[in-house]
Amino acid sequence: GESVGLHLPTLSVQEGDNSIINCAYSNSASDYFIWYKQESGKGPQFIIDIRSNMDKRQGQRVTVLLNKTVKHLSLQIAATQPGDSAVYFCAENREGGGNKLTFGTGTQLKVEL
Amino acid sequence: ETGVTQTPRHLVMGMTNKKSLKCEQHLGHNAMYWYKQSAKKPLELMFVYNFKEQTENNSVPSRFSPECPNSSHLFLHLHTLQPEDSALYLCASSQGTGDYEQYFGPGTRLTVT
Repeated sequence: GESVGLHLPTLSVQEGDNSIINCAYSNSASDYFIWYKQESGKGPQFIIDIRSNMDKRQGQRVTVLLNKTVKHLSLQIAATQPGDSAVYFCAENREGGGNKLTFGTGTQLKVEL
Repeated sequence: ETGVTQTPRHLVMGMTNKKSLKCEQHLGHNAMYWYKQSAKKPLELMFVYNFKEQTENNSVPSRFSPECPNSSHLFLHLHTLQPEDSALYLCASSQGTGDYEQYFGPGTRLTVT
């Protein structure tokens, strides 16, 4: 069936290291992908997005990579900081999907000092 | 702050009660959404409104009744809920229902006893 999923439920990294969070999707019709960050007690916060006509997009300390061949999405966080500790979700929007996002389960990122 | 507010932040209700959740966005957006977030499950889209008109009902039970009086306000009326309806209910808004970033509120933590 169609799904958006994450490979690892928890990721622990040392402060200052780079983090890589992965996401697999199965709907080849998806053309818009978003990464969200959710801190405890808060709603999801937009991090970065990418459209299917791109394979890489960079933001401030974050990079999203899209591999349409294997239907894989990743979020790279450079120089991870304690404030990056949160749950990270990927979401996909099918072409013509009316912004009805399908979310993955989420990955808990823990930054160790 | 994301520009999306939700009240109340916490709600405990019995199965025979009637209550309402409120969402307000101060971003001038035209689309608003209700999501349900249960523990260890992906965010589930419930309803989508665009220019006050409902464009999506994701097979939500009738004990959840949304109302969108204008593009800035969204309500979720609750009636005869079940304990399994206990969850975090998130409201979001976006400029439109195309590939636009969705801004989330902090959510209402609902407990049904």
